[in-house]
Amino acid sequence: QVQLQESGPGLVKPSQTLSLTCTVSGDSIISGSYYWSWIRQSAGKGLEWIGRIYARGNTNSNPSLKNRVTMSMDTSKNQFSLNLSSVTAADTAVYYCARLIGYSYHDSWGQGTLVIVSS
Amino acid sequence: EIVLTQTPGTLSLSPGERATLSCRASQSVSSSYLSWYQQKPGQAPRVLIYGASSRATGIPDRFSGSGSGTDFTLTISGLEPEDFAVYYCQLYGSSPPRYTFGQGTKLEIK
Repeated sequence: QVQLQESGPGLVKPSQTLSLTCTVSGDSIISGSYYWSWIRQSAGKGLEWIGRIYARGNTNSNPSLKNRVTMSMDTSKNQFSLNLSSVTAADTAVYYCARLIGYSYHDSWGQGTLVIVSS
Repeated sequence: EIVLTQTPGTLSLSPGERATLSCRASQSVSSSYLSWYQQKPGQAPRVLIYGASSRATGIPDRFSGSGSGTDFTLTISGLEPEDFAVYYCQLYGSSPPRYTFGQGTKLEIK
């Protein structure tokens, strides 16, 4: 059974870069036909998809985040990562990583990690 | 950009009753890419239905999904106490690739 776990700083200053890592166990991030997603949830905006990364490093991100998103993989550690630049208070949210089945749905999620943007 | 609108915002029902939750897309979409999630406080969402009508692994058969085009429905027949939660629909769109969520329906105990 696949398990995902987010990690990273819980507090980021405005204008800095938010960096999170998702560690996957029970499955290889480069096997199969899975994409791996980042999704966030804030009190005011509900669930928002941030982006996805594929085994070969192909990425897609939400156009609404205006090129602030960078994603990468570390296959030796079975991890994938998110960088969100130029953060503001609006980026305060619980951030989830999740496995994407085909193009369709997210079947496994991490427990989520709260990131607060504040000086 | 396709917008998903879920109604009602809050649904108050008693255990044993039938719940009908709606998700409407702002334009016609492929049912293959419509899924439903349940989220309880302090937990990550859990997929219930994918492809509009297929139950995910381990999901009880009291949960069912239907719909096509712009209108999709999640039905929970015979509510159990553990079913009271927030429910979201999600859609994949390909141009450009993105995933959109509805704003959620809170199912609360009456």
